[in-house]
Amino acid sequence: GENVEQHPSTLSVQEGDSAVIKCTYSDSASNYFPWYKQELGKGPQLIIDIRSNVGEKKDQRIAVTLNKTAKHFSLHITETQPEDSAVYFCAARAPNTGFQKLVFGTGTRLLVSP
Amino acid sequence: DAGVTQSPTHLIKTRGQQVTLRCSPKSGHDTVSWYQQALGQGPQFIFQYYEEEERQRGNFPDRFSGHQFPNYSSELNVNALLLGDSALYLCASSTGFSGYGYTFGSGTRLTVV
Repeated sequence: GENVEQHPSTLSVQEGDSAVIKCTYSDSASNYFPWYKQELGKGPQLIIDIRSNVGEKKDQRIAVTLNKTAKHFSLHITETQPEDSAVYFCAARAPNTGFQKLVFGTGTRLLVSP
Repeated sequence: DAGVTQSPTHLIKTRGQQVTLRCSPKSGHDTVSWYQQALGQGPQFIFQYYEEEERQRGNFPDRFSGHQFPNYSSELNVNALLLGDSALYLCASSTGFSGYGYTFGSGTRLTVV
């Protein structure tokens, strides 16, 4: 089945810096890659997603890139703010497993210092 | 527009007991997926319900069972609780079985003592 690895596990940046989180997946048939932000005491919240027919997607300060050949995708956050501090999870969906499920990475704890 | 609602928010149970967690999906969603999130880990897929049937199951023992009702709400039942079942249980709803646009609830924090 699909396996998703995520790095780094923790990331500390200064306010205004950029942050990059990387994930790799194992199933070449995976075609949907969402990113979730989880704040303390809350469930994961979808922040951006990308499908396999697109190489890059941007939404204000957040962007996601996908390299299908290398089977990896990345989350880029520019001009980081303290409120970006949270745990971020990548996920992948493999379509050849019948009804769909998402397989998650292990998470990256992002700390943005003022 | 209410999102995904889970109850209770916190629960403490004794080893060997049984527990039922509840989930109401986001309005317009008809598919419910349950995930277990251990401390410091990513969510692990338990199972998914669509049209009141379990459609897919992750690597969890039969002690974990569920149900979906005609109004699309769902329950997760865990029997013979083990200490290792302590985790945050997340419900995610979506439309159909595309896997797109999961909306998660805030979860139920289960502690087994």
